[in-house]
Amino acid sequence: DADVTQTPRNRITKTGKRIMLECSQTKGHDRMYWYRQDPGLGLRLIYYSFDVKDINKGEISDGYSVSRQAQAKFSLSLESAIPNQTALYFCATSAPSVDGGRRQNNEQFFGPGTRLTVL
Amino acid sequence: AQSVTQLGSHVSVSEGALVLLRCNYSSSVPPYLFWYVQYPNQGLQLLLKYTSAATLVKGINDFEAEFKKSETSFHLTKPSAHMSDAAEYFCAVRTSYGKLTFGQGTILTVHP
Repeated sequence: DADVTQTPRNRITKTGKRIMLECSQTKGHDRMYWYRQDPGLGLRLIYYSFDVKDINKGEISDGYSVSRQAQAKFSLSLESAIPNQTALYFCATSAPSVDGGRRQNNEQFFGPGTRLTVL
Repeated sequence: AQSVTQLGSHVSVSEGALVLLRCNYSSSVPPYLFWYVQYPNQGLQLLLKYTSAATLVKGINDFEAEFKKSETSFHLTKPSAHMSDAAEYFCAVRTSYGKLTFGQGTILTVHP
């Protein structure tokens, strides 16, 4: 079974609709991230969470919100979708910078992605 | 602030030829650097990482990268390209609080 899963894998919606993308992980990591990928722009960070009570905006958070329901679950919502939010969305996880007394390198583990189209 | 720049959005090589994908970084502290690969319709997979232990880093599928502080570079190489190497490759640098900043990506095409 995959360590990081995302649902749905593909979604087509209309302008103005509310959309939720879900991410679950079985890696036991505290840190979770949401990115969007656009051609030629690489991955850009939308939101990140270092634990259940810690939510932070990334570089492109406008138009998005998140919910960290549990250590293993991190959802991304588009309150009112618009066409320029059409993109590939990825969830990722990582261990903290110091884990069990050992410094970590913060390698991130990615889900398979959700392809969202807003018409 | 830490950042990376990937030179060349598209690279095309023949099967069996050398693969060279370029990444330059900017960092005010010793960087942690990563190369990820994205195969079609898949998520990102870690190829290799530099964490200051050794300047020449070996990764999966015969890829390697050399950290050169004097050139602020972390270029990815593979001696002999395979058709299965066709993918998009991303260089990334660790920034504050363990976040990653990614380059724009380089699409590698391998011709028979």
